[in-house]
Amino acid sequence: GAGVSQTPSNKVTEKGKYVELRCDPISGHTALYWYRQSLGQGPEFLIYFQGTGAADDSGLPNDRFFAVRPEGSVSTLKIQRTERGDSAVYLCASSLTARDEQYFGPGTRLTVT
Amino acid sequence: QKEVEQNSGPLSVPEGAIASLNCTYSDRGSQSFFWYRQYSGKSPELIMFIYSNGDKEDGRFTAQLNKASQYVSLLIRDSQPSDSATYLCAVNMGSNDYKLSFGAGTTVTVRA
Repeated sequence: GAGVSQTPSNKVTEKGKYVELRCDPISGHTALYWYRQSLGQGPEFLIYFQGTGAADDSGLPNDRFFAVRPEGSVSTLKIQRTERGDSAVYLCASSLTARDEQYFGPGTRLTVT
Repeated sequence: QKEVEQNSGPLSVPEGAIASLNCTYSDRGSQSFFWYRQYSGKSPELIMFIYSNGDKEDGRFTAQLNKASQYVSLLIRDSQPSDSATYLCAVNMGSNDYKLSFGAGTTVTVRA
């Protein structure tokens, strides 16, 4: 079946601009996660959704970052007033439930110039 | 102390040999352990998961878990050039099943 999909695959934006990154999880997966991966590091947890609600957003670095999942499927990660330090690969993962294995999408490479 | 630690490598092994990767974690409450493979420029791909002490085998891969020592390892038997990648160890953070903490990864190169 189809895996996790993410769009766009690459995004280049100027410092101070607003960006939205989209994630479409595996069909039927109730749990959705956003991670951020910098070069040479493992993914870093940002936020976890169970259904429509953000069950844990403790990994969001500051209030410029926000994510939604209004219908319990597709999720959007929103970054306001982007900074060069936001440049990274943003990964989305989903799992059947929170206790199950997480499967990653291909990621969105964000570059802030 | 980092929550999950791995040797960064690179680990170079000849084709057909066994590659052994190690991972230690700090949270004694962790219950779920995962190995992901990540090719350069690609996203992590789940290859093994283990929840109980002991060994778990899947094809050429064996995961080993020792909760008392807070240690998890991955063995790759009959290594192939296609196994050349970075291997990420991930551990759930204590009582939160969903919250994975990743190591920085071990880069493996299999020499033909």
